[in-house]
Amino acid sequence: EVHLVESGGGLVKPGGSLRLSCAASGFTFSSYSMNWVRQAPGKGLEWVSSISSSSSYIYYADSVKGRFTISRDNAKDSLYLQMNSLRAEDTAVYYCARDPHSSSYHYMDVWGKGTTVTVSS
Amino acid sequence: DIQMTQSPSSLSASVGDRVTITCRASQSISNYLNWYQQKPGKAPKLLIYTASSLQSGVPSRFSGSGSGTDFTLTISSLQPEDFATYSCQQSYSTPLTFGGGTKVEIK
Repeated sequence: EVHLVESGGGLVKPGGSLRLSCAASGFTFSSYSMNWVRQAPGKGLEWVSSISSSSSYIYYADSVKGRFTISRDNAKDSLYLQMNSLRAEDTAVYYCARDPHSSSYHYMDVWGKGTTVTVSS
Repeated sequence: DIQMTQSPSSLSASVGDRVTITCRASQSISNYLNWYQQKPGKAPKLLIYTASSLQSGVPSRFSGSGSGTDFTLTISSLQPEDFATYSCQQSYSTPLTFGGGTKVEIK
């Protein structure tokens, strides 16, 4: 069965850092692009970052560019999000999601359960 | 950035009702439009991709249509398990953007 499991969330002070991980199983991780999507409390979904299967293409939302870094280790079937200079507005549930993209069409067909990041002093 | 606007933001409906949710893009996105369902405390679930393709395992009462800037998600006969929030998302260009969501509640 296909699974994504996020970890690494927690409480951090403004200006602090956190590294999220997403462990994949049940599929050939190295064949898929991956995404991080977040959801602030009571708010809608916000795309954070995407990475292609071989890490050749990486994209970020303007709200996190220069502060967050997405990466992956295909040998470990894992996706990461290094978050630096955290702000209160980064408080959210962070989901990793698989992109099975067919040609130029991208969508997110498998999601993890999410990990909660709280930025507060 | 492409803005995605959903309407209504919420609606009340009864089991068996036909429900239509609209999503409008701020510029043409062809059929690069996906729909997700989310229940409280749960991760989103893909329902429809490329505007009208039904994701495997999703009941056929869900359908999507549209192209360009205007899209709709239709639930032909609302079931108890369909009460949730529905969000559209464009994948035409980065940054990928979601609509604000439509909460479907029990009347």
